[in-house]
Amino acid sequence: DADVTQTPRNRITKTGKRIMLECSQTKGHDRMYWYRQDPGLGLRLIYYSFDVKDINKGEISDGYSVSRQAQAKFSLSLESAIPNQTALYFCATSDSPGLTSTDTQYFGPGTRLTVL
Amino acid sequence: DAKTTQPNSMESNEEEPVHLPCNHSTISGTDYIHWYRQLPSQGPEYVIHGLTSNVNNRMASLAIAEDRKSSTLILHRATLRDAAVYYCILNSGYSTLTFGKGTMLLVSP
Repeated sequence: DADVTQTPRNRITKTGKRIMLECSQTKGHDRMYWYRQDPGLGLRLIYYSFDVKDINKGEISDGYSVSRQAQAKFSLSLESAIPNQTALYFCATSDSPGLTSTDTQYFGPGTRLTVL
Repeated sequence: DAKTTQPNSMESNEEEPVHLPCNHSTISGTDYIHWYRQLPSQGPEYVIHGLTSNVNNRMASLAIAEDRKSSTLILHRATLRDAAVYYCILNSGYSTLTFGKGTMLLVSP
């Protein structure tokens, strides 16, 4: 089984609809991240969480919100989807840096979201 | 944030070594150099990281310049499955990663 899973894998929705993308991990990591990727571009950070009670905005948080329900779960919501939010969305996890860790990130398979 | 500079694309033939360069002239003393790659239609995956010394693992080798202002990811024998976008990223562990556009590696049979 995959360590980082994302649901759904594909979603087509209409402008104005509320959408939730979910991410679960079995790696026991404290840190979780949401990124989006547009064609031909690198990943851009939307939100991140360094532990269950911590939520931080990333580079492009406008139009998005997140919820860290537990150590293993981190959800991304689009309250009112718009067409320019059409993109590939990735969730990632990492362990906190320490003597045996350097914050390597592990990514899920991605969710392809299309907003019509 | 400390930034990296990579060529947009590189080409290689199968079974040949590939050297992917990365410049990071503003690297700080606490930054690790991480490499990730993204295969088509997949999420990025970790390849290798290092701080000062050269590093080897089953996927690749990382050569770090003595002044740490540049590094090179080495794939010893490229295969078609190595065709991907390779990202060089500086990571202090106490902030988030910044992905640039990376280098698209094309591998020809």
